[in-house]
Amino acid sequence: DAGVTQSPTHLIKTRGQQVTLRCSPKSGHDTVSWYQQALGQGPQFIFQYYEEEERQRGNFPDRFSGHQYPNYSSELNVNALLLGDSALYLCASSFTGTVNEKLFFGSGTQLSVL
Amino acid sequence: AQSVAQPEDQVNVAEGNPLTVKCTYSVSGNPYLFWYVQYPNRGLQFLLKYITGDNLVKGSYGFEAEFNKSQTSFHLKKPSALVSDSALYFCAVRGVTFSGGYNKLIFGAGTRLAVHP
Repeated sequence: DAGVTQSPTHLIKTRGQQVTLRCSPKSGHDTVSWYQQALGQGPQFIFQYYEEEERQRGNFPDRFSGHQYPNYSSELNVNALLLGDSALYLCASSFTGTVNEKLFFGSGTQLSVL
Repeated sequence: AQSVAQPEDQVNVAEGNPLTVKCTYSVSGNPYLFWYVQYPNRGLQFLLKYITGDNLVKGSYGFEAEFNKSQTSFHLKKPSALVSDSALYFCAVRGVTFSGGYNKLIFGAGTRLAVHP
């Protein structure tokens, strides 16, 4: 049983470019959340997708957008990249029927913006 | 607003000694608290959670955590540390949901645990 998978593992972009990160949730999970982890900090919630809709959003600008597909996989898109967007982007999946259950995290995508 | 604080950037302990990683929280309502561990170049792995019930929660890899409501703390503990326990540890609280946004977690800044042989 595969866990949460993310691609790519590493990415280098330049300021102003756009990037798309991908996530496949753990089998049986229907909810995908995205987190940004800057160096030396804890993960910060970006948004959460369920039933192909954004259900909750953290304090991130509209440059950050996402999508969820019918197979529950998800994408995180970031437009007009800034140097400050350099971080580890983590995807976490869960089953919405279990409110306080643990999240399963992928290994992340390390994004470097030059 | 919900928040957690991890007052120590780093904790150093000798192998075989007990370890404690501190966490305090601020929530409105009942707290739902979690501990996660992060190894280098890896995502976060769940250790344990407190939802309700016994104040001492047992988790993975021999870790446990003590919930103290009066002190608003949820410290992570292990009776005997291993070198392989060296990693980054995060305390988290479940955020308040307004429209069914379950499982949003609010993380602390993390504590690096270094266990020396």
